[in-house]
Amino acid sequence: NAGVMQNPRHLVRRRGQEARLRCSPMKGHSHVYWYRQLPEEGLKFMVYLQKENIIDESGMPKERFSAEFPKEGPSILRIQQVVRGDSAAYFCASSPAKDRARYTFGSGTRLTVV
Amino acid sequence: DQQVKQNSPSLSVQEGRISILNCDYTNSMFDYFLWYKKYPAEGPTFLISISSIKDKNEDGRFTVFLNKSAKHLSLHIVPSQPGDSAVYFCAALKAAGNKLTFGGGTRVLVKP
Repeated sequence: NAGVMQNPRHLVRRRGQEARLRCSPMKGHSHVYWYRQLPEEGLKFMVYLQKENIIDESGMPKERFSAEFPKEGPSILRIQQVVRGDSAAYFCASSPAKDRARYTFGSGTRLTVV
Repeated sequence: DQQVKQNSPSLSVQEGRISILNCDYTNSMFDYFLWYKKYPAEGPTFLISISSIKDKNEDGRFTVFLNKSAKHLSLHIVPSQPGDSAVYFCAALKAAGNKLTFGGGTRVLVKP
């Protein structure tokens, strides 16, 4: 019973490049969430998705960031034209439809912008 | 506006003693509270939770207490073990909501 799978674990991008972070939820989980953790801070909500729908993107920066959860395949968090301030750990979590509190987190993707 | 706060960034405790971690919240709409444990380079792992209709929940060495009137919760770990050394996050959910709001974390060091 695989948990939430995130890849890559580490990603290095130069300023101005694009970063794509992938997340496969746990089997049976239809809700996906993305959180960001800046150094020495707590996790901050970014976006909540269900299959083919963005439910809540109130934590997403207005520009350069986008997320999707297609009918087939993993959820993708995309950051265009990365800047140094985007360097952080990005965590994906999933939960089943009928238990909003049963979050399971992935191991995260550590993005470093050089 | 930080709706969930953990005012102690770190805590050091002797093995076998009790660890008490505190968390305060400001939003009355929160109705479910969770504690997560996080090791470096790993994702948060669920520890224990409590609904706002309860004031205490216990699971093995972990007990969470909720004081709704004070908007305060605490996590007790007893006895503390070296493997408990990690960062602990308090998190809250709003009624019918799905979005977790996290505190800033408390780093716990259990000394052998």
